[in-house]
Amino acid sequence: AAGVIQSPRHLIKEKRETATLKCYPIPRHDTVYWYQQGPGQDPQFLISFYEKMQSDKGSIPDRFSAQQFSDYHSELNMSSLELGDSALYFCASTIIGLAGGGELFFGEGSRLTVL
Amino acid sequence: KQEVTQIPAALSVPEGENLVLNCSFTDSAIYNLQWFRQDPGKGLTSLLLIQSSQREQTSGRLNASLDKSSGRSTLYIAASQPGDSATYLCAARDNYGQNFVFGPGTRLSVLP
Repeated sequence: AAGVIQSPRHLIKEKRETATLKCYPIPRHDTVYWYQQGPGQDPQFLISFYEKMQSDKGSIPDRFSAQQFSDYHSELNMSSLELGDSALYFCASTIIGLAGGGELFFGEGSRLTVL
Repeated sequence: KQEVTQIPAALSVPEGENLVLNCSFTDSAIYNLQWFRQDPGKGLTSLLLIQSSQREQTSGRLNASLDKSSGRSTLYIAASQPGDSATYLCAARDNYGQNFVFGPGTRLSVLP
């Protein structure tokens, strides 16, 4: 079965550079979430999209932006990178409109290291 | 605002033991609750999803229960194995939006 696909899996950037992470949700899933997970921490919600529209916003820095495209894939753009942005970034998808509530599925994550 | 906590933070048991992981949430108006497993540096793997109208779900050696009135869910692992060693997280989806709130996780070590 198709899963949530994230790319790249690993990314190394310098401070003040820009990075873009991509997420391809499970086919027919209508909602995408982005999470940031620092070492030893639980996933922190950044932003979500429902049917290509931003649906909720969490602790996403102003330096970050995201969008969901017509084919439902999503991109997280991070600018002016800081050392503290080093983390695992997860994308997850679900079907919000599913009767009874949909199961949330995660990708393998993109590990960003800022030097 | 929904808050999710998990007890214990870490647990170490010998192989073969049955064990219980606890998840508590402050707002009982949840849509569903999901348990995940995470191996170091890996993504979260869904274990069990319990809808708000359900009391429990079972998958193999795993059984999860939900008591909305007390704001609690438990994950029961039977006959633990070293391969069960991982961090276990619970997440509650609220009734008001589409967001999932995660607990901090329980780090489980099953010793051979």
